[in-house]
Amino acid sequence: QKEVEQNSGPLSVPEGAIASLNCTYSDRGSQSFFWYRQYSGKSPELIMFIYSNGDKEDGRFTAQLNKASQYVSLLIRDSQPSDSATYLCAVMGGTGGFKTIFGAGTRLFVKA
Amino acid sequence: DGGITQSPKYLFRKEGQNVTLSCEQNLNHDAMYWYRQDPGQGLRLIYYSQIVNDFQKGDIAEGYSVSREKKESFPLTVTSAQKNPTAFYLCASSLGGRDTEAFFGQGTRLTVV
Repeated sequence: QKEVEQNSGPLSVPEGAIASLNCTYSDRGSQSFFWYRQYSGKSPELIMFIYSNGDKEDGRFTAQLNKASQYVSLLIRDSQPSDSATYLCAVMGGTGGFKTIFGAGTRLFVKA
Repeated sequence: DGGITQSPKYLFRKEGQNVTLSCEQNLNHDAMYWYRQDPGQGLRLIYYSQIVNDFQKGDIAEGYSVSREKKESFPLTVTSAQKNPTAFYLCASSLGGRDTEAFFGQGTRLTVV
């Protein structure tokens, strides 16, 4: 079992729709959870981090964390073509200490 | 401007050669990391360092070496023992705490010719 798992996609949504990206992790002791966006050929950039159960909202983005289910998700409301990118889920803490483990990423296409 | 700088952006290596990728940060971050990314895949951790003069192997350290002689610098050497080095290499740094994000450099694309 991979430490951080994501559906590779591609996930295709129409402009203005909600995009839902999911991530599961194997280390129950993990403490911090991050979502990064990576455009093709570029380096990742942080969108959000979350470390408490529940929802965290920032503009059009909402991160959701359920530690009991070892599940973290990212919702993108009012999706725009500029949101088309690969979204990487990252997890820190637990047996890995401060080492950050990344999932393989989900490719998102937003159709105009 | 504060940031993390990788050089060169593109690097070509002949088989059997060692090459060193540079990573410098002026963010005063304690922690630094090297990741490798292959096409269509996520980031795999090569080495990481929490403080000067100390570093740990990540998941794919074989064929790589690092040093951390200064807080600002964390160079990565890709040795001839790395059999498939063609990839996109990303350096990152962070404050090192629980909820601190990693800031990435622009990456180095290494190709074996």
